[in-house]
Amino acid sequence: NAGVTQTPKFQVLKTGQSMTLQCAQDMNHNSMYWYRQDPGMGLRLIYYSASEGTTDKGEVPNGYNVSRLNKREFSLRLESAAPSQTSVYFCASSEQVQVNEKLFFGSGTQLSVL
Amino acid sequence: SQQGEEDPQALSIQEGENATMNCSYKTSINNLQWYRQNSGRGLVHLILIRSNEREKHSGRLRVTLDTSKKSSSLLITASRAADTASYFCAPGSNTGKLIFGQGTTLQVKP
Repeated sequence: NAGVTQTPKFQVLKTGQSMTLQCAQDMNHNSMYWYRQDPGMGLRLIYYSASEGTTDKGEVPNGYNVSRLNKREFSLRLESAAPSQTSVYFCASSEQVQVNEKLFFGSGTQLSVL
Repeated sequence: SQQGEEDPQALSIQEGENATMNCSYKTSINNLQWYRQNSGRGLVHLILIRSNEREKHSGRLRVTLDTSKKSSSLLITASRAADTASYFCAPGSNTGKLIFGQGTTLQVKP
């Protein structure tokens, strides 16, 4: 099993450009998450999806949109990228969000916005 | 959701020594999880301790939980260079979402 797969691994954008980060999991998990990690800031939750068809805001949702396309896939979209969105983005999944199951993480997408 | 706060922020030890890192949190929890992150990689789950447990072991890892003090500690015994990584705690509450702190960066010198 691949676990959680994120694409792309690296991306450079110009300010104002848009892009979508893709995430897919093959563990039949119900819940999926997007985090961003900045130096000295730890991981911050952007959005999560408790189950297929639902999405909710996390700590830092501004400037992002998400789509839970199906049970496997959860995408993160930057409509108009800003330099403040330069970060490493991690997707994660778990069986259920409500009972604090352990998270499985992807390997990350390093995004630079110039 | 609540965030765990790890302490110390950085720790440097010699191979073979024990490493202890601490986590504090503010409100009631269902469980508390510890994760490891190697440089440039995603987080990997290490161990989960439930609120009714006081201590848990997994290989060279020992986790304690003191709900009265709202704190947890992670002990890595007989450390190895491969243990060099950042370690994060994540308190789990009824909201279900896991919020991570800044982590403890551990360097194990050969």
